[in-house]
Amino acid sequence: QKEVEQDPGPLSVPEGAIVSLNCTYSNSAFQYFMWYRQYSRKGPELLMYTYSSGNKEDGRFTAQVDKSSKYISLFIRDSQPSDSATYLCAMIEWEGGSEKLVFGKGTKLTVNP
Amino acid sequence: NAGVTQTPKFQVLKTGQSMTLQCAQDMNHEYMSWYRQDPGMGLRLIHYSVGAGITDQGEVPNGYNVSRSTTEDFPLRLLSAAPSQTSVYFCASKARDGNTIYFGEGSWLTVV
Repeated sequence: QKEVEQDPGPLSVPEGAIVSLNCTYSNSAFQYFMWYRQYSRKGPELLMYTYSSGNKEDGRFTAQVDKSSKYISLFIRDSQPSDSATYLCAMIEWEGGSEKLVFGKGTKLTVNP
Repeated sequence: NAGVTQTPKFQVLKTGQSMTLQCAQDMNHEYMSWYRQDPGMGLRLIHYSVGAGITDQGEVPNGYNVSRSTTEDFPLRLLSAAPSQTSVYFCASKARDGNTIYFGEGSWLTVV
């Protein structure tokens, strides 16, 4: 089983829809969870991050972490065509002074006008 | 603030040729890394560095070489290009005590 699993999609939704993007993970030592957004032919950019279980909101975006289920989600409300991108989850484990970063493979999202 | 700068943006190589992908960051970040991104494979770590003079291998290091003589620069060398190295390459950097990874714009490499 891979450490981080992410459905690659593609996911296509109409403008205004609520989008749910998800990752599961197997390593209970992951402590820091991130979502990166990558537009076509660009590098990934950090969208949101969280340390703990629960929800974190930033405008139309909500990041949710459930450590007991080893499941993280990104919700996009009132989705816009400008949200069309690939979304990558990422997680960090710190152990013994070293750091381990793992990315999901990304979910490609298209929001249709 | 330029952030992470990669050159070239696009490159076509013939099998067996060597080349260097350049990466520079102006944020004084200790950590720098190189990833390749392929369809269905996601981002895979090639090499990384935790500071000047220190480098280590990632998940897919074969066929690539790196050095870190300064904090700012982290070039990636392809020793003898192969078609399997056709990919998009991303350089990234991070502060030692930070968690945000900053990526460059990418370098599209085709080996024919």
